[in-house]
Amino acid sequence: GDSVTQMEGPVTLSEEAFLTINCTYTATGYPSLFWYVQYPGEGLQLLLKATKADDKGSNKGFEATYRKETTSFHLEKGSVQVSDSAVYFCALGASGGYQKVTFGTGTKLQVIP
Amino acid sequence: ETGVTQSPTHLIKTRGQQVTLRCSSQSGHNTVSWYQQALGQGPQFIFQYYREEENGRGNFPPRFSGLQFPNYSSELNVNALELDDSALYLCASSFYPEIREQYFGPGTRLTVT
Repeated sequence: GDSVTQMEGPVTLSEEAFLTINCTYTATGYPSLFWYVQYPGEGLQLLLKATKADDKGSNKGFEATYRKETTSFHLEKGSVQVSDSAVYFCALGASGGYQKVTFGTGTKLQVIP
Repeated sequence: ETGVTQSPTHLIKTRGQQVTLRCSSQSGHNTVSWYQQALGQGPQFIFQYYREEENGRGNFPPRFSGLQFPNYSSELNVNALELDDSALYLCASSFYPEIREQYFGPGTRLTVT
């Protein structure tokens, strides 16, 4: 079945550092890929998405590129801020008869001033 | 545009009881999905409703059931509560079949004692 593997956290960075959170996936067909963010005590917010190979999703300085050859969708940001501290989930959206999103286990990011 | 809303915010129940959680989908969306997020884990797909019928189901027992109403709002019912049912329950809406990303509500925190 579909699955998502992302790097374990927590990840602790200083403000303005470069961020990479690795994500790989296993899926049949042609899934869409997503990054969701969850701030403490809140639900999930869609951060960015890519719907086909070589697409780059971007939002709020975050980027991720859909790499079919390596089945990866790594999240990057050039300069993190304290306000980016949250849990980040890589996810894939199934193609097929119904919409199901399969999530990774999440990576907690802590940015210190 | 109205986002996804859920009620109640928090709930405490005793083992063996039954619970009903409610969700109003984002305007313009016709599909509702429910997820269970245990502490420190990624959300797990419970089921999805489209046109008032269950359109897909994850690996959850039959005591997890749901409804979708003509206005696309939804309920999640859990019978015979177990301690392991303690989790954050997330509702997500989308427009099937055109939109694969799902938009999440803030969740209901269920504690079973």
